[in-house]
Amino acid sequence: DAGVIQSPRHEVTEMGQEVTLRCKPISGHNSLFWYRQTMMRGLELLIYFNNNVPIDDSGMPEDRFSAKMPNASFSTLKIQPSEPRDSAVYFCASSLASGTGYTFGSGTRLTVV
Amino acid sequence: SQQGEEDPQALSIQEGENATMNCSYKTSINNLQWYRQNSGRGLVHLILIRSNEREKHSGRLRVTLDTSKKSSSLLITASRAADTASYFCATASGGSYIPTFGRGTSLIVHP
Repeated sequence: DAGVIQSPRHEVTEMGQEVTLRCKPISGHNSLFWYRQTMMRGLELLIYFNNNVPIDDSGMPEDRFSAKMPNASFSTLKIQPSEPRDSAVYFCASSLASGTGYTFGSGTRLTVV
Repeated sequence: SQQGEEDPQALSIQEGENATMNCSYKTSINNLQWYRQNSGRGLVHLILIRSNEREKHSGRLRVTLDTSKKSSSLLITASRAADTASYFCATASGGSYIPTFGRGTSLIVHP
């Protein structure tokens, strides 16, 4: 298995632009998570899906952030419009079931200038 | 707010020595997990220990859990330069199995 696949690995964009991050979870995993990691705030859970349904999006910082999971093999995190304070590493992770370990992707390093 | 907090924040040792990292948390947990993160990479799951377990082993890793003290420790024996990474504990509590991550311990193993 190739693991959790995220794209792009790096993204540099100008303030105000739309950014879309992509994630392909491990086949057969039924839970998917989006995290953001910064030096200031550490690793924060943004949203998670169970069987493609969003369960908890309380970590999404603002309405500028949205996430979708149209099917079991694909999810997107969109920021529109992007701001410099959105600069961070965004991780996607998937798991087989509750109470088991997560498999993380390599992350997308987002820089908003 | 973050549940688990690792201690120390940074640890520097020589290859061959043991490394011990601790995690303290505030409320009762369902399980506690340890992850490793190499620079520029995603987190890698190491061990999950449930609230009714006291100790688990995986290769050179040993995790203990003391629910009375609300703390856990990760011991890496006979460390190697390749163990250089940040180590995070993540706790799941209440009715949720979704873990909350600490800030991590940065481990440097000098060859």
